[in-house]
Amino acid sequence: EVQLVESGGGLVQPGGSLRLSCAASAFTFSNYWMHWVRQAPGKGLVWVSRISSDGNTTSYAESVKGRFTISRDNAKNTLYLQMNSLSHEDTAIYYCARDRGRGSGRSGMDVWGQGTTVTVSS
Amino acid sequence: QSALTQPASVSGSPGQSITISCTGTSSDVGGYNYVSWYQQHPGKVPKLMIYEVSNRPSGISDRFSGSKSGNTASLTISGLQAEDEADYYCSSHTTRNTLLFGGGTKVTVL
Repeated sequence: EVQLVESGGGLVQPGGSLRLSCAASAFTFSNYWMHWVRQAPGKGLVWVSRISSDGNTTSYAESVKGRFTISRDNAKNTLYLQMNSLSHEDTAIYYCARDRGRGSGRSGMDVWGQGTTVTVSS
Repeated sequence: QSALTQPASVSGSPGQSITISCTGTSSDVGGYNYVSWYQQHPGKVPKLMIYEVSNRPSGISDRFSGSKSGNTASLTISGLQAEDEADYYCSSHTTRNTLLFGGGTKVTVL
């Protein structure tokens, strides 16, 4: 079964850092662009970042640019999100998702993980 | 960047058709055929319903259809069923090479 499993969430103080991981299985991870999407409690979906299949092209939402870094290890079938300078506004469930379009990362997210919860609080 | 504009709520009776709009600008919805729609039931993971404006992934009912005119995309659910009650989100690629979601629409089956 095609699957994405996030980990690394937790409670962190404002100004702190956290690294999220997303382990992929049952598909050729290196063929797909990947995304991070977050959802604050009771709120809507917000796109965070996207990375190309080879890891060489990335993009970020303005709200996280300069603080978050997306990366991947295709040998380990794992996607990462390094989050620095965290603030209360970053509190959310963080989902990793696969883009169905292998070439551009624009086609739509067809496989989603269950999410990992990040809480920023003192 | 502001979120794409969706109505907060839409409702309909079983068997009816409803349409959810998603309004952006020429820098996103109007500029690309990269509009997707997602369904999310409470406490569940989002599910891709429509990609690239009007295409349905395998396994998605043909009661769901998508379209676009100018800067506004639309999702139509025909033959509304109780199981369709959920939140729906649109998304679009943008000229800034980012992706933008709509604020979400709560669909209620009366």
